[in-house]
Amino acid sequence: EAQVTQNPRYLITVTGKKLTVTCSQNMNHEYMSWYRQDPGLGLRQIYYSMNVEVTDKGDVPEGYKVSRKEKRNFPLILESPSPNQTSLYFCASSRDRLGETQYFGPGTRLLVL
Amino acid sequence: AQSVSQHNHHVILSEAASLELGCNYSYGGTVNLFWYVQYPGQHLQLLLKYFSGDPLVKGIKGFEAEFIKSKFSFNLRKPSVQWSDTAEYFCAVRGNNRLAFGKGNQVVVIP
Repeated sequence: EAQVTQNPRYLITVTGKKLTVTCSQNMNHEYMSWYRQDPGLGLRQIYYSMNVEVTDKGDVPEGYKVSRKEKRNFPLILESPSPNQTSLYFCASSRDRLGETQYFGPGTRLLVL
Repeated sequence: AQSVSQHNHHVILSEAASLELGCNYSYGGTVNLFWYVQYPGQHLQLLLKYFSGDPLVKGIKGFEAEFIKSKFSFNLRKPSVQWSDTAEYFCAVRGNNRLAFGKGNQVVVIP
């Protein structure tokens, strides 16, 4: 079954404690991205990757890092989480950047105390 | 970078009523347009998309949208809603390498 998976689905942490949210897709997609969803603000793109070892900033990259060492995986790293990063995070992938439909993961709900 | 505006963030209507959600975007180049739906507690799912061709696009569950290039709009419509259409709806515009989302419309359908 074609899918995008994220782990963990729910996470409570404290300020400053490094964390990683994993994202994996089994569709051999080139394009992957991370979004955060906040009430009244919709989805905002954090980072995206057009292929292995190719990443770029989205609209709200501050406080986040990503890596793309393999095509299927695109982890989101918070080196020093802060309360304003409490949010719902979605990973998405698509075949390429040229308008192909994006497939979204189930979301990771993060609470930073 | 492109931006997307959605109007009337909260919409409450009765079953069988018609629904129209507005979406306007700003971007000077070629765009691809999408409407996504997020049911309570679930992730985003694609309702419909426009890449080229007929500007009237039909999607799943009886939804349709019309691309009007001169108005930079891509409004979503459904003639008769059901309770199960209660969800949040997001318009999205892809230009260059980026996909920009609107802030969403929270739609509540009362049985």
